[in-house]
Amino acid sequence: DSGVTQTPKHLITATGQRVTLRCSPRSGDLSVYWYQQSLDQGLQFLIQYYNGEERAKGNILERFSAQQFPDLHSELNLSSLELGDSALYFCASSVGVSRKWETQYFGPGTRLLVL
Amino acid sequence: DQQVKQNSPSLSVQEGRISILNCDYTNSMFDYFLWYKKYPAEGPTFLISISSIKDKNEDGRFTVFLNKSAKHLSLHIVPSQPGDSAVYFCAASRGGGTGAGSYQLTFGKGTKLSVIP
Repeated sequence: DSGVTQTPKHLITATGQRVTLRCSPRSGDLSVYWYQQSLDQGLQFLIQYYNGEERAKGNILERFSAQQFPDLHSELNLSSLELGDSALYFCASSVGVSRKWETQYFGPGTRLLVL
Repeated sequence: DQQVKQNSPSLSVQEGRISILNCDYTNSMFDYFLWYKKYPAEGPTFLISISSIKDKNEDGRFTVFLNKSAKHLSLHIVPSQPGDSAVYFCAASRGGGTGAGSYQLTFGKGTKLSVIP
């Protein structure tokens, strides 16, 4: 158990819909990262937040947005869903914004299926 | 454009033998490399890393080799055990200051290792 929790574990929805994925970081971690693992693209970095502020952006679509709340949990909002958005979405957390990747811990993921 | 490539989607190895997983990268700015292991229904977990100033790093049964001139790294597992059966991801990080790109990991697509008892 990494200490990072993600809800829900599974989500099935329809095209055009909007969903929210939730992540609670490990106790004491201020950084939250979101990743998408799809069949054809592998694991891709989406976005990072540190202590409530956006720090880095990767391959995140405009239909997707994220935020980190004062209690440090984070939500990833996916809207106007398409079939290709079906993927595993991972959240990871770390203490700070350094490149000490060894201390970045991943949650178990949310599996999203868009029908 | 896939900057980190794991060209073998799967690999099968007999228990006790060596497993060699390969990874190639194209971005010469990458200066730190990591391997992650992922079991089904779990998130990736860090396995071993290597800085570009080294060409080898060892941790128990796991050794990572880096060939900068070839932009190639490999993970050796010796001896392989059934519990090593998982998907292995290679990842790379870019150096060069404090820009946003320095705080991103670029992953390969993964190699599924099956260790046969």
